[in-house]
Amino acid sequence: QQQVKQSPQSLIVQKGGISIINCAYENTAFDYFPWYQQFPGKGPALLIAIRPDVSEKKEGRFTISFNKSAKQFSLHIMDSQPGDSATYFCAARGGYNQGGKLIFGQGTELSVKP
Amino acid sequence: DAGVIQSPRHEVTEMGQEVTLRCKPISGHNSLFWYRQTMMRGLELLIYFNNNVPIDDSGMPEDRFSAKMPNASFSTLKIQPSEPRDSAVYFCASSLEAGSGSNQPQHFGDGTRLSIL
Repeated sequence: QQQVKQSPQSLIVQKGGISIINCAYENTAFDYFPWYQQFPGKGPALLIAIRPDVSEKKEGRFTISFNKSAKQFSLHIMDSQPGDSATYFCAARGGYNQGGKLIFGQGTELSVKP
Repeated sequence: DAGVIQSPRHEVTEMGQEVTLRCKPISGHNSLFWYRQTMMRGLELLIYFNNNVPIDDSGMPEDRFSAKMPNASFSTLKIQPSEPRDSAVYFCASSLEAGSGSNQPQHFGDGTRLSIL
């Protein structure tokens, strides 16, 4: 129940295309859903985040779509660029008695071809 | 501004040796997290501290692992004795405030790549 399932494991997209990464969770107590971007040799960095009372959040080319009833959320990268090539992790934060604990998905390795 | 600083960046040692990983969180942050990243298990939370106090250590794999935070600007993760299966990248992260209702992001260091031979 504490898991966050992420798919696909890897993704290849042409430059200018749309990259879509999906995540699903079971625990309805999760109250915050961030996406992190990680480049090789670096730590993950927060990309965009959403709370479950919002169905969509957009920041530049990055959009999170959130479906509370289906317990699913996804990251859309519009106009994907080679510089977006990285590993992306979705995460979910535990509820009231879980503090700041984040549960991470397994990650998606995105490659954007020029 | 200085981010989360981890040392060493790389560590190679023989099994049975003691390993100490170090972390300096961002100044003013009061929550600190230790993660382990492997291909098989992904990114796992080992332990986190709030105001220097360990809050949840349920992710610490076994008694060979220990973590301390003697003050707000320093934390260590120690493995004694080390084993080859401990080989991984270990990340430290800090945030301004943890807890439900807080949207403060976790800021990660660049990690320590640990290889146990």
